[in-house]
Amino acid sequence: AQSVTQLGSHVSVSEGALVLLRCNYSSSVPPYLFWYVQYPNQGLQLLLKYTSAATLVKGINGFEAEFKKSETSFHLTKPSAHMSDAAEYFCAVWVEDSGYALNFGKGTSLLVTP
Amino acid sequence: KAGVTQTPRYLIKTRGQQVTLSCSPISGHRSVSWYQQTPGQGLQFLFEYFSETQRNKGNFPGRFSGRQFSNSRSEMNVSTLELGDSALYLCASSPPVRTEAFFGQGTRLTVV
Repeated sequence: AQSVTQLGSHVSVSEGALVLLRCNYSSSVPPYLFWYVQYPNQGLQLLLKYTSAATLVKGINGFEAEFKKSETSFHLTKPSAHMSDAAEYFCAVWVEDSGYALNFGKGTSLLVTP
Repeated sequence: KAGVTQTPRYLIKTRGQQVTLSCSPISGHRSVSWYQQTPGQGLQFLFEYFSETQRNKGNFPGRFSGRQFSNSRSEMNVSTLELGDSALYLCASSPPVRTEAFFGQGTRLTVV
């Protein structure tokens, strides 16, 4: 079954620095991949999605991700971190099965320091 | 367009009781799925409903059940609550073309 692995449960960056959150996928077929963000005591907000249209995907709040088949990766980046980016980030993949089900990574907590 | 609405936002229940959570999907979405989020296990898929039929089910005991109504609203029920059922329960709805899932704010269930 399709799955994703997020490398690094905690990432700390300085305000204004590059944000890089890592996600690798495992899939025998072209996957649909997603990045979600979760703020404390909130639900999940979709940041961006890859559905095989373009390998470089732009999302909300200045985030983008690049699908690299050769590396089975879908890393999330943002050129300049903002204090408001501090949150939990989840990578997810559709499970190819009957119905709609997402398999999530364990999450990466992003800390932004002034 | 209104988002996914989950009620209630917070619940406190006693071990052995049962609980029902509600989810109203985005208008036009017929697929509703449920997830459990805990610090130890992360986000886990519970089940998915489409046009009142359970189409997919995760690896949870039979105490966890759900249903969907003709207006696509969904409920999930947990019977004989255990302390380990304390979690954030998230509902998501998806459009007819499987491109994404939109999540509600969640229901925080605490079992004491």
